[in-house]
Amino acid sequence: DVQLVESGGGLVQPGGSLRLSCTASGFTLSTYWMHWVRQHPGKGLEWVSRMNGDGSPTRYADSVKGRFIISSDNAKNTLYLQMNSLRGEDTAVYYCARGYYGSGVFDSWGQGTLVIVSS
Amino acid sequence: DIVMTQSPATLSVSPGERATLSCRANQSISSNLAWYQQKPGLGPRLLIYDASTRATGVAARVSGSRSGTDFTLTISSLQSEDFALYYCQQYNNWPWTFGQGTRVEVK
Repeated sequence: DVQLVESGGGLVQPGGSLRLSCTASGFTLSTYWMHWVRQHPGKGLEWVSRMNGDGSPTRYADSVKGRFIISSDNAKNTLYLQMNSLRGEDTAVYYCARGYYGSGVFDSWGQGTLVIVSS
Repeated sequence: DIVMTQSPATLSVSPGERATLSCRANQSISSNLAWYQQKPGLGPRLLIYDASTRATGVAARVSGSRSGTDFTLTISSLQSEDFALYYCQQYNNWPWTFGQGTRVEVK
């Protein structure tokens, strides 16, 4: 069975950094597009970033461009999101999601990890 | 960015009744639309993609349709497990965007 498990969330001060992890099982992460999607408290969903294992350029939402970096460790079958210069508006539950055959459809999601940016 | 507008915000339906959820794009997105279901504390679950194709394991009572830039998710006979939050999402243009959601609650 496909499973995605996020970790690394927590409370961080404005301007700080945090690295989220998403460990995949049941499939090889490098053969799929992988994404981060976030959900602000009580709000809707916002796509954040994507990467895949074929060398295609990574992409970011304008709201995080220049501050967040998506990466992966194929040996660990794990996706990461390095979040720098964090702001209050980055407070959200962060989900990793698998892309369906290179499309913009997300066919599997993790349970999410909560990031709170506050002093 | 493409704006996806869902209506209504909340839909009150009795078990066994039909639920009809709407999603409208502010420009053409072809049929590049997906629907997701989300329950409290969990990540979303893919229900429909390409506007009308059911994802693996999704019940036949769930269906999607398109008319121009208007999209509809229909659940023909609501079961207890269908009471949840539903989102539409376009994947025709970057950045991919979601609607604000429709909550289906017990009437």
